[in-house]
Amino acid sequence: DAGVIQSPRHEVTEMGQEVTLRCKPISGHNSLFWYRQTMMRGLELLIYFNNNVPIDDSGMPEDRFSAKMPNASFSTLKIQPSEPRDSAVYFCASSEGAGVLETQYFGPGTRLLVL
Amino acid sequence: RKEVEQDPGPFNVPEGATVAFNCTYSNSASQSFFWYRQDCRKEPKLLMSVYSSGNEDGRFTAQLNRASQYISLLIRDSKLSDSATYLCVVSAGGGSYIPTFGRGTSLIVHP
Repeated sequence: DAGVIQSPRHEVTEMGQEVTLRCKPISGHNSLFWYRQTMMRGLELLIYFNNNVPIDDSGMPEDRFSAKMPNASFSTLKIQPSEPRDSAVYFCASSEGAGVLETQYFGPGTRLLVL
Repeated sequence: RKEVEQDPGPFNVPEGATVAFNCTYSNSASQSFFWYRQDCRKEPKLLMSVYSSGNEDGRFTAQLNRASQYISLLIRDSKLSDSATYLCVVSAGGGSYIPTFGRGTSLIVHP
């Protein structure tokens, strides 16, 4: 398996623009996670899907952020409008189930810079 | 108090040294615990799970102390390739699998 796939790997955009990050989880995995990592705040969970359904989105910073999972093999995280403080590395991760002992497999991340 | 706390380091040790990190957590109902490793500009990867009875994988030993609410990671005979950031992960119980990551502890192993 190719592992978790994220695109784009790098994104540079201007403040106010819409940004869409994409993720393909490992085939057969039922849970998908979006994280944001910054030097100041570390790794933060934004939203968690199980069987394509959003289970917990309490980490989504504000209404500018939205995430969808239309099917088991694809998810998007959208920021509209983007702001400089959104600059971070955004990771997608997937796990096989929803149990507390599941290992998460991370994608390579998308490095976002908002100017 | 933060949910999961780690000493950010860096821990600067020579090759062959033994080094230990601790990670404290605030939620006494936490059920699962992990150590992840993150290399510079890479994604986190699972290093090992932490079981109640403690577990060992080669040079790495992880332990859980529920009474004092901390987990530890011991690395023996450090290698240059062990240089990385080590992230502690704690998941709440009650049927909810919401992982909380610590900020990480940076380890630098030098020749």
